[in-house]
Amino acid sequence: AQSVTQPDARVTVSEGASLQLRCKYSYSATPYLFWYVQYPRQGLQMLLKYYSGDPVVQGVNGFEAEFSKSDSSFHLRKASVHWSDSAVYFCAVRLPGTGSNRLTFGKGTKFSLIP
Amino acid sequence: GPKVLQIPSHQIIDMGQMVTLNCDPVSNHLYFYWYKQILGQQMEFLVNFYNGKVMEKSKLFKDQFSVERPDGSYFTLKIQPTALEDSAVYFCASSLEDWGSSAETLYFGSGTRLTVL
Repeated sequence: AQSVTQPDARVTVSEGASLQLRCKYSYSATPYLFWYVQYPRQGLQMLLKYYSGDPVVQGVNGFEAEFSKSDSSFHLRKASVHWSDSAVYFCAVRLPGTGSNRLTFGKGTKFSLIP
Repeated sequence: GPKVLQIPSHQIIDMGQMVTLNCDPVSNHLYFYWYKQILGQQMEFLVNFYNGKVMEKSKLFKDQFSVERPDGSYFTLKIQPTALEDSAVYFCASSLEDWGSSAETLYFGSGTRLTVL
């Protein structure tokens, strides 16, 4: 079945540590790929997106993500996290060539720092 | 940056009653969307709306659901009558252009939690 999977419901690291949030997709064609973040009591904000070209895309606030066709993945990374990065992160896809604008989301990964 | 506003953040309603969820999109945007997220599950597309018409809807957009944007003001989602399974967080989104453009960005509100008793 076509799906977007974020295998980690929660991720916790220490301040200054690196972060990787995983996202895998299952579609016959390569979708357009997105990462969104939701800070407490705010709407979703787009961090970055991948349509084509360089598989490593840079986003806001030091985030980057790498597309891997062989692994059907689009993992999000940050070299050094800060308290302000605590949020829920959503991976999402859109299928090109379908005439549809809908986004399909993963369940989200809640990221927090070890106090 | 541009903001999509959804007020109130929480609505509680008795099953069978009507509810209208309000969304104040970014002022010059033309495309509008609703997504639904049941607790513990992923956010799912409901509908998108442009130029006074529903452009696309999912199987979750039941006959009891309707959307409109009267007089270019709030973009609303109406559920009549409500059912227990309608309890969820409903997110509104808007974009200036057809969001299929690679340059376009979709802006989301912070959601309205609907509780149907």
